[in-house]
Amino acid sequence: NAGVTQTPKFQVLKTGQSMTLQCAQDMNHEYMSWYRQDPGMGLRLIHYSVGAGITDQGEVPNGYNVSRSTTEDFPLRLLSAAPSQTSVYFCASRNADSLQGTPLHFGNGTRLTVT
Amino acid sequence: GNSVTQMEGPVTLSEEAFLTINCTYTATGYPSLFWYVQYPGEGLQLLLKATKADDKGSNKGFEATYRKETTSFHLEKGSVQVSDSAVYFCALTLNTGGFKTIFGAGTRLFVKA
Repeated sequence: NAGVTQTPKFQVLKTGQSMTLQCAQDMNHEYMSWYRQDPGMGLRLIHYSVGAGITDQGEVPNGYNVSRSTTEDFPLRLLSAAPSQTSVYFCASRNADSLQGTPLHFGNGTRLTVT
Repeated sequence: GNSVTQMEGPVTLSEEAFLTINCTYTATGYPSLFWYVQYPGEGLQLLLKATKADDKGSNKGFEATYRKETTSFHLEKGSVQVSDSAVYFCALTLNTGGFKTIFGAGTRLFVKA
């Protein structure tokens, strides 16, 4: 009964380094998304995908890349980390072919610090 | 554009007090509305939802009514417990060529014994 699994839980990077945040779900959800959570700003959508091979930008996509080669996995890549990317990152999924009343299922987050 | 505004926190209450967290929205369309709760160190989880006007969502003693005329979805609970201490997020989902979910800034609730 894993749901949405994110790794790692914590990460510290130096400015300019790259890394990949992993997200996997076992609910056969077509829709997957990445949010960042910053104090006082709620959650902001970075990228999302409505199925394997399809991705699109959200509200704050700059500095991040995504790919969706399988239904289960949706990794988020930071190409060249910057201090402004210090945040808590959440992966979330839902059924894409349901009506808009279907809620999101969240992972437990990755806390990233860029120094 | 589409947005969600909720009251700033933190909100501090004594156990058994009445809770209201205000949420209003702006949407170009007819959204579904949600309250999510985030406990320390965890991701968000659905608390309740409503998908059309005048619907009331309820769960664990919490309630919220979808008010189209005032574009509001205020969260209420008659008697809070220490275990209700968490951050509460109001959100809407709208079909804008894909079902996007927009969140408010979150309201932190502290309940004292």
